[in-house]
Amino acid sequence: QVQLVQSGAEVKKPGASVKVSCKVSGYTLTELSMHWVRQAPGKGLEWMGGFDPEDGETIYAQKFQGRVTMTEDTSTDTAYMELSSLRSEDTAVYYCATGQLGTTQMSYWGQGTLVTVSS
Amino acid sequence: QSALTQPASVSGSPGQSITISCTGTSSDVGGYNYVSWYQQHPGKAPKLMIYEVSNRPSGVSNRFSGSKSGNTASLTISGLQAEDEADYYCSSYTSSSTPGWVFGGGTKLTVL
Repeated sequence: QVQLVQSGAEVKKPGASVKVSCKVSGYTLTELSMHWVRQAPGKGLEWMGGFDPEDGETIYAQKFQGRVTMTEDTSTDTAYMELSSLRSEDTAVYYCATGQLGTTQMSYWGQGTLVTVSS
Repeated sequence: QSALTQPASVSGSPGQSITISCTGTSSDVGGYNYVSWYQQHPGKAPKLMIYEVSNRPSGVSNRFSGSKSGNTASLTISGLQAEDEADYYCSSYTSSSTPGWVFGGGTKLTVL
């Protein structure tokens, strides 16, 4: 069984960057396709980016291109999502979500990390 | 990526069946069998309920079923139970201007 444990809540000022981590256990990162999804307060789910099994690359939603970077440290089985140039509209719970490599569904989810952007 | 279209809310009484629709385009729902459904209770992370249109992960009740016709996917919950009350989201792979994944706006299910 895959378990994903995310880093704790963050408070950032507008214009700053935030880096959220997602520690994987039960599988190694190389066996998984990792995605990042966010949810603003009272709103729906929004896909930010993830591993595309058809291309074998990490791809980003157009809305976040140029502002988001998703990386993986396979030595520690930890995935990271860094979002820069933060604005108040980025206040949201950020989730890492994953499935077995080659699949398209998000079978396992982290507990979520609340990022608050406020001056 | 444009969001998939779901009804904002549906309701049903215990024991009844309900269906939630998810409408997209030929670039997403209609073009791929990569439709998933997620259940989310308040304050909790989403949970995968259906993948690849109609497959149930291990541990998910067989009261949940999925289907697709053209550009519209559907989630049916039969024998409604109080614990089914939650938000439900559909998702699909998309090959639109920027490939990736797209979610529906979510449907609030109320068990009366």
